[in-house]
Amino acid sequence: NAGVTQTPKFQVLKTGQSMTLQCAQDMNHNSMYWYRQDPGMGLRLIYYSASEGTTDKGEVPNGYNVSRLNKREFSLRLESAAPSQTSVYFCASIDLGQGPYGYTFGSGTRLTVV
Amino acid sequence: GENVEQHPSTLSVQEGDSAVIKCTYSDSASNYFPWYKQELGKGPQLIIDIRSNVGEKKDQRIAVTLNKTAKHFSLHITETQPEDSAVYFCAAARGYQKVTFGTGTKLQVIP
Repeated sequence: NAGVTQTPKFQVLKTGQSMTLQCAQDMNHNSMYWYRQDPGMGLRLIYYSASEGTTDKGEVPNGYNVSRLNKREFSLRLESAAPSQTSVYFCASIDLGQGPYGYTFGSGTRLTVV
Repeated sequence: GENVEQHPSTLSVQEGDSAVIKCTYSDSASNYFPWYKQELGKGPQLIIDIRSNVGEKKDQRIAVTLNKTAKHFSLHITETQPEDSAVYFCAAARGYQKVTFGTGTKLQVIP
């Protein structure tokens, strides 16, 4: 099993450009999440999808949009990138059925906005 | 919302010594407390978790303790090894979703 796959791994954008971060999981998990990781600030929740067809805002949703395309895929879109969105982005998923109940994370996307 | 504070931010120990990382949380309704280990260039990985109806849980060299009254929980690593060097995150949540993370502890184990 591949687990959670994120693409791309690295990206440099100019201010104002748009892009979509892709995430796919092959574990049949219901819930998926997008976090950003910044030095000294831990991981902060951007958006999440508790189940296919639903999405909700997390702690820092401004400047982002998400799409739960199907049960496997959950994408994060930056419509007009800003330098403050320079960060490492992690996608995660969880199975709330039988457990274990910890997140499975992808390996991250390192985004730089110049 | 939930606020999780984590200390220390960096920790250096000699190989074979113990390491302790402490966290506090603000939401008295939180009932799930996982710990994650993040190695360089990788995503965090769950290493141990504890529910609020349990005061302590052990898994080989790793143990977690929870004090619900004081809203404190801690990670204890005994007999540290160089491969324990990583960034460790504590977290808290109501149920298992929308986990709030601490700011992380960079642990260095010196051979």
